[in-house]
Amino acid sequence: AQKITQTQPGMFVQEKEAVTLDCTYDTSDPSYGLFWYKQPSSGEMIFLIYQGSYDQQNATEGRYSLNFQKARKSANLVISASQLGDSAMYFCAMRGRSGAGSYQLTFGKGTKLSVIP
Amino acid sequence: DVKVTQSSRYLVKRTGEKVFLECVQDMDHENMFWYRQDPGLGLRLIYFSYDVKMKEKGDIPEGYSVSREKKERFSLILESASTNQTSMYLCASSLGAQGSETQYFGPGTRLLVL
Repeated sequence: AQKITQTQPGMFVQEKEAVTLDCTYDTSDPSYGLFWYKQPSSGEMIFLIYQGSYDQQNATEGRYSLNFQKARKSANLVISASQLGDSAMYFCAMRGRSGAGSYQLTFGKGTKLSVIP
Repeated sequence: DVKVTQSSRYLVKRTGEKVFLECVQDMDHENMFWYRQDPGLGLRLIYFSYDVKMKEKGDIPEGYSVSREKKERFSLILESASTNQTSMYLCASSLGAQGSETQYFGPGTRLLVL
């Protein structure tokens, strides 16, 4: 079974500074994928970034980067130059196989990020 | 851009009513998912479908059923709504090919059962 742990229920960051959101995972599957989603107060889940377990490089997407440390089973999200619009819930998720062999995502409980002007 | 739409943003129903939540995606995705989201619990998978008329139970299927008669549409059904089904319901879809399996979400439906 897959498990995702986000240990920070809430975080504050000053505008324009960088922030790291923690995510650790557990799986016995050698092939997996890790995702980060953002959920603003409006409720919609927005896909941010993806890292495959065999990817050699850490994933980056604009101001988002994923600090992937396979041996430590961690996949932390780094947001550079924080903006007020980054205030939201952030969810880490991992792709795994269901009992029937199809793929599904397991989500962490989320971290609420607040950006302070 | 992937577009996933849900029939209602807000819904108020009475205990015992039959409730239908509809989800439509326009990107010819194979997989579709229904989650519920509750404070402190994150997202929990209710059901998913990997093809028309095919479905698989997620982590919390009790009290729910689903229907997928057409590829683009996935319905979540609460046969007899109860107050503990008050929640935010999120629909998602993914391409279905092996690979990233990125899921794209709809705007969510906030359901209140009185």
